[in-house]
Order: sequence, then structure tokens, then C-alpha cells
Amino acid sequence: KAGVTQTPRYLIKTRGQQVTLSCSPISGHRSVSWYQQTPGQGLQFLFEYFSETQRNKGNFPGRFSGRQFSNSRSEMNVSTLELGDSALYLCASSLVGGGTDTQYFGPGTRLTVL
Amino acid sequence: EDQVTQSPEALRLQEGESSSLNCSYTVSGLRGLFWYRQDPGKGPEFLFTLYSAGEEKEKERLKATLTKKESFLHITAPKPEDSATYLCAVQTSNTGNQFYFGTGTSLTVIP
Repeated sequence: KAGVTQTPRYLIKTRGQQVTLSCSPISGHRSVSWYQQTPGQGLQFLFEYFSETQRNKGNFPGRFSGRQFSNSRSEMNVSTLELGDSALYLCASSLVGGGTDTQYFGPGTRLTVL
Repeated sequence: EDQVTQSPEALRLQEGESSSLNCSYTVSGLRGLFWYRQDPGKGPEFLFTLYSAGEEKEKERLKATLTKKESFLHITAPKPEDSATYLCAVQTSNTGNQFYFGTGTSLTVIP
């Protein structure tokens, strides 16, 4: 079974631009979560989507948004990029989320903001 | 406030030298504790899930244990290919599907 895929793998943007990242979950998984990973802060939760609805949200500004499509694929958008947004963005999928579902991670998208 | 702390931050071992990594947590309503391995530039790879105190899981040279306040990842006779960052995460009744991650232990195994 194919794992979680994320595109693109690498992105370079400049301050003020916006960016969209994509995540395809494991087949049959309906919950998709997004995390930001930086050397100083570790993995921090951004949001979770299930059945096209945002179910949980972390403490990130409104510049970070996401959506999920009917096939469970998810996109994350960051508007008005700042230097501090440079990070590895990870997507994780699980069957239905909640309970003690295991989250399986994709390889991540490395975003560099210049 | 829920907290997850991993120690040590970094660990260097000689090949074959066994050791343990610690993950201590202060959370209410623990539903699961997860261990992941992360190689540089890659996403975390799932290792174990522990649900209740006293539970143990094993996989090759790795053994994870859980108490009411902490979890240990024991590495027996490590090999250089075990070098990676090991992350623990907790899921609680307060967090829905959100995982709280520790900052990880960077393990280097020297041949």
C-alpha cells in the first residue's frame, strides 16, 4: 500500500508571497493532520481535517489555512510568507482520527522563505 | 498544561553499547503514547504505540515501555543504522486527534 505523499518536496519563496502544499493520504485514511517542524520548536500541530471539515486547530495565525477534498487529499496554504515560516511541513494521515489511531507521516515539504 | 519532555537531547553510543531514551509526560487523560524514528530530511516513521502503564512492545533491537509518568525506549546492542532522531508523542482525551510531540533524542551509534 502506498504511503503518504507530499508535493512539492522543496520550495523556495520570498517574503510576502503565498504557497500551497499538497498531501495525499494512505488509501482508505480519512483524517489528515498537518505539522510544522523547526529545529527550535520541534513538531507543532497546525490543524486536522476529517471528511472535508477542520476538526482541530493549533495555535498558528490565520495566515495558515487548509482544506480537504472529497477524496481525502488535503492542501495547506500559507499567505504573506514570513522568514519564520521556513520549516519542514509534515502531513500525517490516519484512518478516522481520534481514539488511538496511529498517524503515518509523509516525507514533508521543505519550505525556505528568503 | 500538557507537556512532553525527552531526554537526553543527544546520545552517542558505541556499536553494541545498550542504552535507554526517556520520554516523560504530564498530561491528563492519556489515550496513547507513540514512538517514531526520524532520519534527516524525512518524515517520522512509526515504531510503537503504548496505551496503558505496564505495557511493553518490542521490535528488533528496540523495546518500549510505559509507566504512569514516562516511557522508555531501550536500545539493545545498537548498530550504526539505528542512528536517527527518536520522537515520542502523546494523544490525550483533551486533544482529539492532535499529537503533542517531544523535541526528540538524536542518537548517533559509532562503529
